[in-house]
Amino acid sequence: KQEVTQIPAALSVPEGENLVLNCSFTDSAIYNLQWFRQDPGKGLTSLLLIQSSQREQTSGRLNASLDKSSGRSTLYIAASQPGDSATYLCAVPPGRGSTLGRLYFGRGTQLTVWP
Amino acid sequence: DAGVTQSPTHLIKTRGQQVTLRCSPKSGHDTVSWYQQALGQGPQFIFQYYEEEERQRGNFPDRFSGHQFPNYSSELNVNALLLGDSALYLCASSWLDRDSYNEQFFGPGTRLTVL
Repeated sequence: KQEVTQIPAALSVPEGENLVLNCSFTDSAIYNLQWFRQDPGKGLTSLLLIQSSQREQTSGRLNASLDKSSGRSTLYIAASQPGDSATYLCAVPPGRGSTLGRLYFGRGTQLTVWP
Repeated sequence: DAGVTQSPTHLIKTRGQQVTLRCSPKSGHDTVSWYQQALGQGPQFIFQYYEEEERQRGNFPDRFSGHQFPNYSSELNVNALLLGDSALYLCASSWLDRDSYNEQFFGPGTRLTVL
């Protein structure tokens, strides 16, 4: 069974800081990894998808890296803004090369960026 | 493209009642997965539907059942509601490719409150 851990659980920073959110998973035989954003009481917005053949993926101020061998992914947020305040979730499919559809989620990092 | 849609947005039920939640997948997607997200937790996989059949199931009792229609939309049914069923129910859609693992897109969720 895949287990996903996210550190830190919560982060509160002033506007403008560069941030690092960490995700680890137990079964490294994954096809890809997704990072999501969730605003309070809302659904999940997909931020980045990293295929297993890639080492990183970038979208605007977001950059996600994937190190399958160590079972880790990192989400970097550059020049944080108050609008970045949300919970960030990391999700991976089952390992062992499975293509079946379930995702395993961490509990998320709750980010607050204050002006 | 409307993305993944869910209805209703909010629902209040009493213990013992039954509830039906609905989901329409993103255009071009043929696979629907359902997740339960309790407050402060990451989403937990309930089950996945493809070709109108349940393909995979998480650790949820038989009170949770579902259906997929020929147009790929899906329903989640929960019988004999318990207080612990109160949660945000999320629907995700994707396109099943048995050679890879495709990005999942989530709907806005249905907030279920059981009194």
